Amino acid sequence: SQQGEEDPQALSIQEGENATMNCSYKTSINNLQWYRQNSGRGLVHLILIRSNEREKHSGRLRVTLDTSKKSSSLLITASRAADTASYFCATRNEYGNKLVFGAGTILRVKS
Amino acid sequence: EAGVVQSPRYKIIEKKQPVAFWCNPISGHNTLYWYRQNLGQGPELLIRYENEEAVDDSQLPKDRFSAERLKGVDSTLKIQPAELGDSAVYLCASSPSLPRTGPNTGELFFGEGSRLTVL
Repeated sequence: SQQGEEDPQALSIQEGENATMNCSYKTSINNLQWYRQNSGRGLVHLILIRSNEREKHSGRLRVTLDTSKKSSSLLITASRAADTASYFCATRNEYGNKLVFGAGTILRVKS
Repeated sequence: EAGVVQSPRYKIIEKKQPVAFWCNPISGHNTLYWYRQNLGQGPELLIRYENEEAVDDSQLPKDRFSAERLKGVDSTLKIQPAELGDSAVYLCASSPSLPRTGPNTGELFFGEGSRLTVL
């Protein structure tokens, strides 16, 4: 079963624009992680935010977490064609022993 | 440092045939995961190992799927016999052991996956 649900399912933007993807989950978490997957490749870890954190930055990535709403968002600023990929949120449960992925958002950045 | 290595990258078989996938995790990573990813979906956990012990295999269809991790390093996932619905990408991932106390990162490192097509 998949705990996280990403929104939107697909997103198409122009190079240079910002891309925002949302993730909602159902149960208490220890942390929430975002991964990227290029077509035909494995997943690559992007950023992790702990349950006691509200916002985190890494380069052009900004992640927010609202545990009261059980939701997170991933913002990619100044997008590039190379950002075209699927993006998955994954939640680690409060015991830390399970990591469950959502269905993903397909991002297409047009040059 | 080498990443997680999986083979084969692609496999096409007829239904009822057996198939096996191999994974070599990052050196020093005690935790190993097998995930299955169906088209257009996120990965779903099949089994998690801590060293050579399978600590979570609740989602592994045990009638046809089996896995082993001898000596706590490499792992093999087997399907016998394969069914049409088994067509998917099988992903292996590894991570350092989860700490019992203190900060928990739990970042996973994935291989490129093995794409299985069952005809």
